[in-house]
Amino acid sequence: DAGVTQSPTHLIKTRGQQVTLRCSPKSGHDTVSWYQQALGQGPQFIFQYYEEEERQRGNFPDRFSGHQFPNYSSELNVNALLLGDSALYLCASSVGLAVNTGELFFGEGSRLTVL
Amino acid sequence: AQRVTQPEKLLSVFKGAPVELKCNYSYSGSPELFWYVQYSRQRLQLLLRHISRESIKGFTADLNKGETSFHLKKPFAQEEDSAMYYCALFGNEKLTFGTGTRLTIIP
Repeated sequence: DAGVTQSPTHLIKTRGQQVTLRCSPKSGHDTVSWYQQALGQGPQFIFQYYEEEERQRGNFPDRFSGHQFPNYSSELNVNALLLGDSALYLCASSVGLAVNTGELFFGEGSRLTVL
Repeated sequence: AQRVTQPEKLLSVFKGAPVELKCNYSYSGSPELFWYVQYSRQRLQLLLRHISRESIKGFTADLNKGETSFHLKKPFAQEEDSAMYYCALFGNEKLTFGTGTRLTIIP
């Protein structure tokens, strides 16, 4: 089991561009959460997907959107990139909506640099 | 709003000495708290959760509702404990992380 896999691992974009990040959850997991981790900060919750719907959302603008596919994989899209969007984007998977168990499995992240 | 505060960004401890990583939280409801750890070149992973009242790798954490704290403790530090530690709170259907403490064990 490869666990949670994310792609790409690194990417560089310029301001105003759009980016799509991808995540495959751990085998047997059906829920995907996305986090943004800026340098020197803890992960910040962006949103969570379950049954192909956005179930919870953190304090992020509408420029951040996502999607979950029938095979439970997920995409994070960010439009109109700003310099402040530069960060490590983490995907975490779990079973069902029981995030309160804390049993989140994290990927290695996609490091986005916006120039 | 919920908040997790880890006052120490860096903490250095000698091998064999006790370790205490501080975590304070702010939440109006009944919190569920966790410690996550990230070892060098590894992924972020769950270390322990308060509801289990378990000891993992010699670490324990007690929820103190009066002081709104969930400090992580270990009586005798080992070199392999060097890592980044994050305290996290589950509330309002989401997990909120602190800014983390980098623990370095000095041989």
